[in-house]
Amino acid sequence: SQQGEEDPQALSIQEGENATMNCSYKTSINNLQWYRQNSGRGLVHLILIRSNEREKHSGRLRVTLDTSKKSSSLLITASRAADTASYFCATDASLGNQFYFGTGTSLTVIP
Amino acid sequence: NAGVTQTPKFRVLKTGQSMTLLCAQDMNHEYMYWYRQDPGMGLRLIHYSVGEGTTAKGEVPDGYNVSRLKKQNFLLGLESAAPSQTSVYFCASRAGLRGWNEQFFGPGTRLTVL
Repeated sequence: SQQGEEDPQALSIQEGENATMNCSYKTSINNLQWYRQNSGRGLVHLILIRSNEREKHSGRLRVTLDTSKKSSSLLITASRAADTASYFCATDASLGNQFYFGTGTSLTVIP
Repeated sequence: NAGVTQTPKFRVLKTGQSMTLLCAQDMNHEYMYWYRQDPGMGLRLIHYSVGEGTTAKGEVPDGYNVSRLKKQNFLLGLESAAPSQTSVYFCASRAGLRGWNEQFFGPGTRLTVL
């Protein structure tokens, strides 16, 4: 399987703190995407980083990519209770048609 | 725009029964995907389509069939349901350009096979 893995599996923090989650994958990629899933809902796209990029920002989100280590991290700054959700990374196969999702990090932000 | 919709939202089947899950998108997307999500497993790709009339196998295709007769619809069929197919099924779509854009997901179908 080319499925990636997120670390940690679960994370609990206080509102206002930063949350960092990591993703490792197995094969070469064109890009890596992060998605959020609220309980009982579908996934929502957060941010995409291309293989030739090392860092990308979007609002309170910061994503880094290290292709030599086949890993990425997602940082959520100044977390809010509304950030409580599961977060998944997804990588594309070489042709860019298929995507492989990690196992997810469950984030709980305590008000 | 409704985005990506899935029908039904919930279903309970007995072993051996068949059913079809319907996914519809109104964004004129070329690519459509069916995933299953199991606890601790993340999402796994079942089948996908890169355009009307095309289908291809994903990571876990066994026991499922698909059809894409119209660009806006992608159907997932279970011919003889098994308890191992108890899962939450998600459909997704995206525009073309290979991997350079996001997937839009439906709300999911929760299927239980007894």
